[in-house]
Amino acid sequence: IQLTQSPSSLSASVGDRVTITCRASQGINSYLSWYQQKPGKAPKLLIYAASTLQSGVPSRFSGSGSGTDFTLTISSLQPEDFATYYCQQVNSYPYTFGQGTKLEIK
Amino acid sequence: EVQLLESGGGLVQPGGSLRLSCAASGFTFSNYAMSWVRQASGKGLEWVSGISGGGGNTYYADSVKGRFTISRDNSKNTLFLQMNSLRAEDTAVYYCAKSRGAVTGSTDSWGQGILVTVSS
Repeated sequence: IQLTQSPSSLSASVGDRVTITCRASQGINSYLSWYQQKPGKAPKLLIYAASTLQSGVPSRFSGSGSGTDFTLTISSLQPEDFATYYCQQVNSYPYTFGQGTKLEIK
Repeated sequence: EVQLLESGGGLVQPGGSLRLSCAASGFTFSNYAMSWVRQASGKGLEWVSGISGGGGNTYYADSVKGRFTISRDNSKNTLFLQMNSLRAEDTAVYYCAKSRGAVTGSTDSWGQGILVTVSS
């Protein structure tokens, strides 16, 4: 299953609302996760099951979608949110990741 | 607190072998599926292999199938990745990762990563 994220990169300002999309090549129900990765660090789980916030993750992060189309929304960007974001399908093996979306400061 | 500590990385020649280990603590190891995920320098994440909590089910990316073998020792809370016939394109940071479930699921904890370099 291939996952295509858009955009590949994004420039935004603190306080902006940002949306990243992830499209699967076939239906994956709601078995989609979102991760945040900062340079030199391991990824961090933000959202699983398409819309469930992982414990400890700020509520400004939200996810939605099912089937083939999914979105990650950050309601009001904070300085610590500038990072690369990946989606991952866990519907069937082999698991796959999207190519990533780099969120940069405008 | 979940802790995952990888070891066994390093420099190896093309065609060579390497065995990665991941020592787990802070959770009931046998209750959770585990995975290996890699990341080449400047590139995205690539899921490599996964294993169910009991060890009876294993899964591989097409890029490593037939060359890599995942296993686990639940008595020692340790995950392994045996890598054979290594290629330059296997060069990456390899992360040990814990799933949310016993068989499948998102990865909710990661190790710090270990570098594998395949070069002559």
